Amino acid sequence: ELKVEQNPLFLSMQEGKNYTIYCNYSTTSDRLYWYRQDPGKSLESLFVLLSNGAVKQEGRLMASLDTKARLSTLHITAAVHDLSATYFCAVAYQGAQKLVFGQGTRLTINP
Amino acid sequence: GAVVSQHPSRVICKSGTSVKIECRSLDFQATTMFWYRQFPKQSLMLMATSNEGSKATYEQGVEKDKFLINHASLTLSTLTVTSAHPEDSSFYICSASRNLGNEQFFGPGTRLTVL
Repeated sequence: ELKVEQNPLFLSMQEGKNYTIYCNYSTTSDRLYWYRQDPGKSLESLFVLLSNGAVKQEGRLMASLDTKARLSTLHITAAVHDLSATYFCAVAYQGAQKLVFGQGTRLTINP
Repeated sequence: GAVVSQHPSRVICKSGTSVKIECRSLDFQATTMFWYRQFPKQSLMLMATSNEGSKATYEQGVEKDKFLINHASLTLSTLTVTSAHPEDSSFYICSASRNLGNEQFFGPGTRLTVL
């Protein structure tokens, strides 16, 4: 059974600081996603990581994937209040047909 | 492109009634659609996978007689919660993908409250 674990689950940080969210998964997969969810809303796709060593960046967010370590990171640079949200990683399995989600990281950025 | 809609966005019903939620892919044909449930402050849990024209595949622990899924066309899947009870209150999110293994595009979700 594929398990996906994120940490931390809660993160409160000040604007301007850097931080990293970690996503570990238990079995082989070649596709990992990062999503953002605002309160009461559905998921917004942030990144798709398809191969070992993949790195993608969009604004203040950067995601990377290490398939050998079964680890992905979402790095936040110089955080701003607008990035406050819950962030999920999701790992594809069974021929990439299904997704298993991590528990989510609730990020609060204080002015 | 790749827009998925859900209807209704919110529904409140009495215990014992049935509720139907629609999921539509607006600008692409979705071979596969997925239904997820999310309880407050929790993660998304896959309920079932549906392929157009065939029976849905339910995840372990999901009652297929309670959560009826129909994927009648390449742009529409429906989830019917039968004889709803308060414990069925949740946020239901669908997603759609063009082909097996392709990226899933998520709908805006439907918040179900059962009184």
